[in-house]
Amino acid sequence: AIQLTQSPSSLSASVGDRVTITCRASQDIGSSLAWYHQKPGEPPVLLISGASTLQSGVPSKFSGRGSGTDFTLTISSLQPDDFATYFCQQFSPYSGPSFGQGTRLEIK
Amino acid sequence: QVQLVQSGGGLAQAGTSLRLSCAGSAFPFSSYALHWVRQAPAKGLEWLAVISDDGSKTYNADSVKGRFTVSRDNSKNTLYLQMDSLTSDDTGVYYCAREWAGAFDFWGQGTLVTVSS
Repeated sequence: AIQLTQSPSSLSASVGDRVTITCRASQDIGSSLAWYHQKPGEPPVLLISGASTLQSGVPSKFSGRGSGTDFTLTISSLQPDDFATYFCQQFSPYSGPSFGQGTRLEIK
Repeated sequence: QVQLVQSGGGLAQAGTSLRLSCAGSAFPFSSYALHWVRQAPAKGLEWLAVISDDGSKTYNADSVKGRFTVSRDNSKNTLYLQMDSLTSDDTGVYYCAREWAGAFDFWGQGTLVTVSS
């Protein structure tokens, strides 16, 4: 099974900051990577698919990059609503989907 | 708007069974593969199972293989997860999700399953 490792596990930032979260895959997954955020008590919300394609309705402050094994999610100009837990997810055709362990983004 | 509305779940004794349901609306239900994902308390997300759009193919994670069965009734726009031989490790919030472009674009609201030993 393909393992996804996110870093950092938690991150403290201020409103207006720009942050980057990294997701590393244990093997080459091409561009088959998605990013979600999740708030307590709610289901995850898809932000980005195909490593860099923004979902409809998701603001352009979110951006994704990468291919192969190394991927990043960057969030610019943080607003209070952005403080949540972020997950990456891979969808290799050769094994089942899997998720990173999550990055908790907290207000400093 | 697209909705996935879940039902079922609750409290179960170890060794017993539960069935979860997930009803879809406002989209062509029979055109999409559907998945089950769970989240243990204060933990991350764990993918459990997938079923193809026509229900002919299913695939489970190793952690639930032989115990959980995913099925669907496209005439009722409903997805199911039959969970047998439950253990305390199965405690968590269970989500159904729609697959699109290698990701999960819509999720159910989640349903809590608590297994007591």
